[in-house]
Amino acid sequence: DAGITQSPRHKVTETGTPVTLRCHQTENHRYMYWYRQDPGHGLRLIHYSYGVKDTDKGEVSDGYSVSRSKTEDFLLTLESATSSQTSVYFCAIKGGTGAYGYTFGSGTRLTVV
Amino acid sequence: GENVEQHPSTLSVQEGDSAVIKCTYSDSASNYFPWYKQELGKGPQLIIDIRSNVGEKKDQRIAVTLNKTAKHFSLHITETQPEDSAVYFCAASMDFGNEKLTFGTGTRLTIIP
Repeated sequence: DAGITQSPRHKVTETGTPVTLRCHQTENHRYMYWYRQDPGHGLRLIHYSYGVKDTDKGEVSDGYSVSRSKTEDFLLTLESATSSQTSVYFCAIKGGTGAYGYTFGSGTRLTVV
Repeated sequence: GENVEQHPSTLSVQEGDSAVIKCTYSDSASNYFPWYKQELGKGPQLIIDIRSNVGEKKDQRIAVTLNKTAKHFSLHITETQPEDSAVYFCAASMDFGNEKLTFGTGTRLTIIP
């Protein structure tokens, strides 16, 4: 989607290793979100940010941390990856092409083996 | 917190027929209700949204209806086409700046040619 990119697109990692996913936006939006998508659960909020260094937890935040040192970048870190964190991770910004709603990135498929 | 239920989980309709997807929400304070369409390998994309001061909104073949008393809202797609095949998500939030969307579990819509 225009203005928001996620990296990497795919990643396989081993249990117990740290992993960082990156979300980058080019449109200076204040609000950014990390969701995970799992079959039967839809999209669940992990963490969100309402400005540089301003972040808060969502409903499934255990095992995850985030950082936002610049407006354009929102990082999601799995401190010690577990198999239950195998999922597709989506970053979203409020606004962009989604106008009032969210604009989502293309997602990162993470597999923890 | 908010809880959004979505039905059905799968839906198949003949091309040209109508499709209806229904959602209920639990928090009476919610007043913003978007619908997202997700195609294979992509992030969800906003297709239509409605606010609580409106009972119905229409955009070409897509319409959304809202019943705040009953706390449910529905997506209606008329004259379905093969490109409507996708996963659809409803969501709800309170419209106060930092909208943390709570999503339904999704409906996989298949249009049968």
